Amino acid sequence: GESVGLHLPTLSVQEGDNSIINCAYSNSASDYFIWYKQESGKGPQFIIDIRSNMDKRQGQRVTVLLNKTVKHLSLQIAATQPGDSAVYFCAEKGSSFSEKLTFGTGTRLTIIP
Amino acid sequence: GAVVSQHPSRVICKSGTSVKIECRSLDFQATTMFWYRQFPKQSLMLMATSNEGSKATYEQGVEKDKFLINHASLTLSTLTVTSAHPEDSSFYICSARDRQGYHEKLFFGSGTQLSVL
Repeated sequence: GESVGLHLPTLSVQEGDNSIINCAYSNSASDYFIWYKQESGKGPQFIIDIRSNMDKRQGQRVTVLLNKTVKHLSLQIAATQPGDSAVYFCAEKGSSFSEKLTFGTGTRLTIIP
Repeated sequence: GAVVSQHPSRVICKSGTSVKIECRSLDFQATTMFWYRQFPKQSLMLMATSNEGSKATYEQGVEKDKFLINHASLTLSTLTVTSAHPEDSSFYICSARDRQGYHEKLFFGSGTQLSVL
């Protein structure tokens, strides 16, 4: 079936450095993508989203890049801080007619002080 | 931003008992809410879509008679795990959708850790 997956399950980054978390998706009909941050024992927290008619979107310290040609999504976090340590999930919405989000497997980001 | 409140945050129960989890949208109306299940170090798996005023839509493999969902109002959905067993122990998370122009944000509750003894 359709799936969303991540290349790296864990990532350690020195505080202050930039980090990039990658995600591959397989449903070419997906039109909306979201990155979530989940801290231990908590629900996912919205970080940034992007529609399929865009290839880049920026927020505060975060940038999402979408490459529809290779069905790849990435989350860039600039100047990482200890509070960025968490598990990050990408999620996709299959189409305009679908309300469901499919989550990727997650990447654990650890910021090294 | 929109807030989704989920209670309880943690529950421990004996095998065979039923547990109810509440999910409330605090400052917006949610015609649709979603229930997810998450095992340790795994991703969120959608269990069912809760629709206000109608029956929930369950994902394949999810027993509707075991996981009862009620969405009686635009701000409240409940998930009842009936006759819980140890294998039902998991982290349950609800979410509600709030359409805000560009965004189709899903706001998540803080989750409920269910431990069945």
